[in-house]
Amino acid sequence: NAGVTQTPKFQVLKTGQSMTLQCAQDMNHNSMYWYRQDPGMGLRLIYYSASEGTTDKGEVPNGYNVSRLNKREFSLRLESAAPSQTSVYFCASIPSGSSYNEQFFGPGTRLTVL
Amino acid sequence: SQQGEEDPQALSIQEGENATMNCSYKTSINNLQWYRQNSGRGLVHLILIRSNEREKHSGRLRVTLDTSKKSSSLLITASRAADTASYFCATPLNRDDKIIFGKGTRLHILP
Repeated sequence: NAGVTQTPKFQVLKTGQSMTLQCAQDMNHNSMYWYRQDPGMGLRLIYYSASEGTTDKGEVPNGYNVSRLNKREFSLRLESAAPSQTSVYFCASIPSGSSYNEQFFGPGTRLTVL
Repeated sequence: SQQGEEDPQALSIQEGENATMNCSYKTSINNLQWYRQNSGRGLVHLILIRSNEREKHSGRLRVTLDTSKKSSSLLITASRAADTASYFCATPLNRDDKIIFGKGTRLHILP
């Protein structure tokens, strides 16, 4: 099992460009999450999906959209990138819609917006 | 604002010593989790403690939870160089499955 995979690993964008960060898990997990991590800020929840076909806002959803394409995949889209979105983005998943499960994290995507 | 806040923000200790870090949170929770992050990598789950538990052990880790004070502590005994990492507490927001992280404690083990 590959666990949680993220693509790309690195990306540089210009202000105003759009892109989609991809996340996939092969553990048959129901819930998936997108976080961003800035220096000194820890992880902040952007969006999450409790199950296929559902999404919900987290702490910092502005400027992002998500799609839960199927049970395996959860993508994060930046429609018009801004320098404030420069960050490391992590995808995570848990087996079910319960907080009593540990989260499994992907390796992260380092995004720089110029 | 974030649900959990770790204290201290950074900690340096000699190898072999014990390391203690604390987490305070704001709302009622049904469990609290601790994660470790090595530099530049994703987070790895360490331990989960339920709201009806006061203490839990896993190897060299000891976690306590005080729901009346809305706080938790993580103790790493007999620290090793490999323990150098950032440690985060995570709690479910509003008792559901939105899991929120604190800002973390950066632990550095000195040789």
